[in-house]
Order: sequence, then C-alpha cells, then structure tokens
Amino acid sequence: EVQLVESGGGLIQPGGSLRLSCAASGFTVSRNYVSWVRQAPGKGLEWVSVISIGGNTYYAESVRGRFTISRDNSKNTLYLQMDSLRAEDTAVYYCARNGEGAFDVWGQGTMVAVSS
Amino acid sequence: EIVLTQSPGTLSLSPGERATLSCRASQNVISGFLAWYQQRPGQAPRLLIYGASNRATGIPDRFSGSGSGTDFTLTITRLEAEDFAVYYCQQYGSSSWTFGQGTKVEI
Repeated sequence: EVQLVESGGGLIQPGGSLRLSCAASGFTVSRNYVSWVRQAPGKGLEWVSVISIGGNTYYAESVRGRFTISRDNSKNTLYLQMDSLRAEDTAVYYCARNGEGAFDVWGQGTMVAVSS
Repeated sequence: EIVLTQSPGTLSLSPGERATLSCRASQNVISGFLAWYQQRPGQAPRLLIYGASNRATGIPDRFSGSGSGTDFTLTITRLEAEDFAVYYCQQYGSSSWTFGQGTKVEI
C-alpha cells in the first residue's frame, strides 16, 4: 500500500526551529517528486516546497530562505527543516507525492503551532 | 505566479442534484496541468481529477473535469451524502504549484 506518514509537529515559539519527517512506504521517494503542502487553520491549501528526482529543490516565496527540504534515500523519508518560524507558519503540514502535475498521495498531516 | 479563482465560494444543493464548480486561472495553465481535490473535515485532500479531465484511481464516474487554457470546471452529477465537502483546484507550472481558495459544497 502506498502511504505517507508525517511526524515532528508541535508547539514552537516564534523564531524557533522544527524538523518535520515524512516516512514513505509502497514507493521510493528518490524516484518521485515529493512536496510539502500546508493548510493554516480554517484556510486553503498552500504548496510549500518540492524535491525533484534529481535532488533539485524549489520553495514558495513565503518560506524561501527559512525552510529546507531534503530526503534520506536509505530511510525512504522526506524532511522539512523549518527555521525562523513565524506565527503565520502555523498550519497542518502535509507531505504529498507529485504525479502528472498533481498530488496523488497525501499523508495525514502534522500540526505546527507557532506561538509564544 | 498563476492565480486560481474558484466560484462560487459556497454551493448549497441537495442530494441527487448536480454541482458545477468553476476554476479560472490568471494565465494559461500549461498542458492541462490542472487538478481537482476533495477535502472532507479533518481529512487530508484527495485527488479527484488530474490533467483537467482524467479521473484519479478509484474516483466514481459521477465526478468529471473539463476545460482548457484559463477556464476549468468540475461537475458532480447526482450528489451523494459523502460529496458534501470543500473542493480545490490546483495548477502546476514553472516548478511551482498553486491552489484555488476552495468551493464548499453544502447541503
């Protein structure tokens, strides 16, 4: 079964750092584009970042320079390192597999709350 | 960046009725890279349609997508109870993905 499971969310103070993980099963992360997508409470979906098959990384303007996407091929796991966190980064963070320009597999999400 | 505008914001319908949701892009969407998702409360989004008109695996045929260029439509024929949810359109272009703001289909 193709599955994504996120972890690492929590409550963090503004300016702090957090690393999210996304463990994949049923497919190989390094052979796919995989993204992070977030959803602020009561709001819509926002694409955050993607890592390509070749390891190239791309970011939304709102997080560029603060967030870093990476993967560990040996663990078949995707990561999102989030630094200099702001209140507006508060959201449920989903990892999702990219296919045909769309996101065809989603994790259940992990909540990140940035507050003092 | 391509901006997607969905309308209406809320659609109030009854089970068995037909729902027509619109998604308009600020620029042409490349090669039909337009997708639709359903999100029920407390759940992750689920891919319904990709490539503007292709149903994802396991999606019932009462869901259909159409359109090209800047105007796209998701149609749900004969609404069922589990179809009342929020629907998002999404486009891909130039290593960036954007979503519309969503349409809520309510009873």
